[in-house]
Amino acid sequence: AQTVTQSQPEMSVQEAETVTLSCTYDTSENNYYLFWYKQPPSRQMILVIRQEAYKQQNATENRFSVNFQKAAKSFSLKISDSQLGDTAMYFCAFSHGSGNTGKLIFGQGTTLQVKP
Amino acid sequence: DAGITQSPRHKVTETGTPVTLRCHQTENHRYMYWYRQDPGHGLRLIHYSYGVKDTDKGEVSDGYSVSRSKTEDFLLTLESATSSQTSVYFCAIRRQGAGVMNTEAFFGQGTRLTVV
Repeated sequence: AQTVTQSQPEMSVQEAETVTLSCTYDTSENNYYLFWYKQPPSRQMILVIRQEAYKQQNATENRFSVNFQKAAKSFSLKISDSQLGDTAMYFCAFSHGSGNTGKLIFGQGTTLQVKP
Repeated sequence: DAGITQSPRHKVTETGTPVTLRCHQTENHRYMYWYRQDPGHGLRLIHYSYGVKDTDKGEVSDGYSVSRSKTEDFLLTLESATSSQTSVYFCAIRRQGAGVMNTEAFFGQGTRLTVV
């Protein structure tokens, strides 16, 4: 069964600095999707960034980028120029490629606090 | 917000009572999901639907049932609520893009359920 592990329950960073959140996963599949979701105190789940496993190029979305290491089954999120609004819980998630029912398997989450 | 509305947003109920949570979407998406969020576990899939009257179990389906009689509504029922079902419940839809590879999940605002 696929599993997703986020080993950092809590992290903090100073405003304007860079922080990296870790995620590892376990799968025997070759085709799949990986996601990072942000959950601010409002509780809303917000998609931050997505990576297709068949793409070697790391995804980027403005200040957010990933380091996708397929062989190592690692999918870390880098937040550059951290802002106070980045304070949230971040979830890494995995979705199967074959069949593609869209079911998501989530990690435990990492709470990020951005300090002024 | 992908046109997803969950109701109620908050509910307190007594052990042994039935509870139904409703998820309503306005964009005619085929796939809908129910997840629960608990500390240390991230989000876990309860049930999902891939069309009217077509549903399947997720990772933590025991004690829950679902129904989908219309495309726009996906109901989650706790037949006899227990304290272990105290949680935050999220509904999600899968928005499919131009190709099969372009799928993203969007979430409702969540329902906080407390069973006392």
